Amino acid sequence: AQSVTQPDIHITVSEGASLELRCNYSYGATPYLFWYVQSPGQGLQLLLKYFSGDTLVQGIKGFEAEFKRSQSSFNLRKPSVHWSDAAEYFCAVGLNTGGFKTIFGAGTRLFVKA
Amino acid sequence: DTEVTQTPKHLVMGMTNKKSLKCEQHMGHRAMYWYKQKAKKPPELMFVYSYEKLSINESVPSRFSPECPNSSLLNLHLHALQPEDSALYLCASSQTRDTGELFFGEGSRLTVL
Repeated sequence: AQSVTQPDIHITVSEGASLELRCNYSYGATPYLFWYVQSPGQGLQLLLKYFSGDTLVQGIKGFEAEFKRSQSSFNLRKPSVHWSDAAEYFCAVGLNTGGFKTIFGAGTRLFVKA
Repeated sequence: DTEVTQTPKHLVMGMTNKKSLKCEQHMGHRAMYWYKQKAKKPPELMFVYSYEKLSINESVPSRFSPECPNSSLLNLHLHALQPEDSALYLCASSQTRDTGELFFGEGSRLTVL
């Protein structure tokens, strides 16, 4: 069955430090891949997406993600975290199996300490 | 600023009430979605409308009734809900069902007493 795994339930990072959030997926072919961010009490906002082509994808707010086919991973990175980055981050997979469907990972909560 | 607008932002209702959640988008998208999100969980898909026709119903109880009056509007009618239905209800849209990228509203926080 298709699945998306975010191994870290929560991560704490110091402001100014680098960040990497992990995401692994299980699917026979290369799916569409997304990272969304959700601030408390808000909806989700798309940070970046990968459909094909260059495996290093740039997104909004200084985020980037790298698709690694051999590891079935799509990890999110940011070189220097700001306090406003504290939020919930969802990795998602888009599958086209008899109709497009998005499957979300369980999410990683990011805490930023001063 | 979100381009998907949801009203109301907060709703408290009793188990015998009938209420509706509303969603509007003006991006010309032809697919619209309702998701339910419980605390500390990812969104769960409830319904998908594609070109104003219901295309996915994820076995949601009949006390939730979606309606798509036109390509810009999506409603979720609520009747005889249970306390466990309390959640954040998110509306989303995408250019078409196959384009993948979802644009979310800020959600309607529903509390059922």
